[in-house]
Amino acid sequence: EVQVAESGGGLVQPGGSLRLSCEVSGFTFSSYTMHWVRQAPGKGLEYVSGIDSHGGNTYSADSVKGRFTISRDNSKNMLFLQMDGLRLEDMAVYYCAKGFYPFNYFYMDVWGKGTTVTVSS
Amino acid sequence: QSALTQPASVSGSPGQSITVSCTGTSSDVGAYNYVSWYQQYPGEAPKFIIYDVTHRPSGISDRFSGSKSGNTASLTISGLQAEDEADYYCSSYSSSRTLVFGTGTKVTVL
Repeated sequence: EVQVAESGGGLVQPGGSLRLSCEVSGFTFSSYTMHWVRQAPGKGLEYVSGIDSHGGNTYSADSVKGRFTISRDNSKNMLFLQMDGLRLEDMAVYYCAKGFYPFNYFYMDVWGKGTTVTVSS
Repeated sequence: QSALTQPASVSGSPGQSITVSCTGTSSDVGAYNYVSWYQQYPGEAPKFIIYDVTHRPSGISDRFSGSKSGNTASLTISGLQAEDEADYYCSSYSSSRTLVFGTGTKVTVL
């Protein structure tokens, strides 16, 4: 069974840092693009960042460029999101999602349950 | 990277058909056939229901269908059922080389 599970969320002060992790199983991780998507309380989905299967190409929303860094470790089936310079508006549930088919960037077919990031002083 | 525009809410009676629109620009929806739709129940993760504008992933009911005309994509739910009451989001690839989501639509079954 394909599974993705996020961890690492928590409470952080404005300007602080947090590193989210996503552990996957049930598929050949190294063949799939992976994504992070967030959802602020009571709001809609917002695309955050994506990374291709080998980690050579990354894609990020303007709202997080220069502050968030996506990476992966294919040897450990892990996806990461390093979040620096956190702002109040970054407070959200962060979802890890798997690309739909090998090397496809455009769609996300399996999502984790999300991890909550709270930014507050 | 502005969000795609969706109506805040759409409602219908059981058995009816409803359509949710998703309006973008010539840099996203209008430029590519990489449009998808996601269904989300409160407190749950989104579920992938449409890709490549019109295709359904395995296991998705054929009551869900997608289309596109110009800068606007649409999701139609036919034979509306109580279980279809949820939030729906469109998504498109954009010329900025990222994905963009719609503002979301709450579908209510009367």
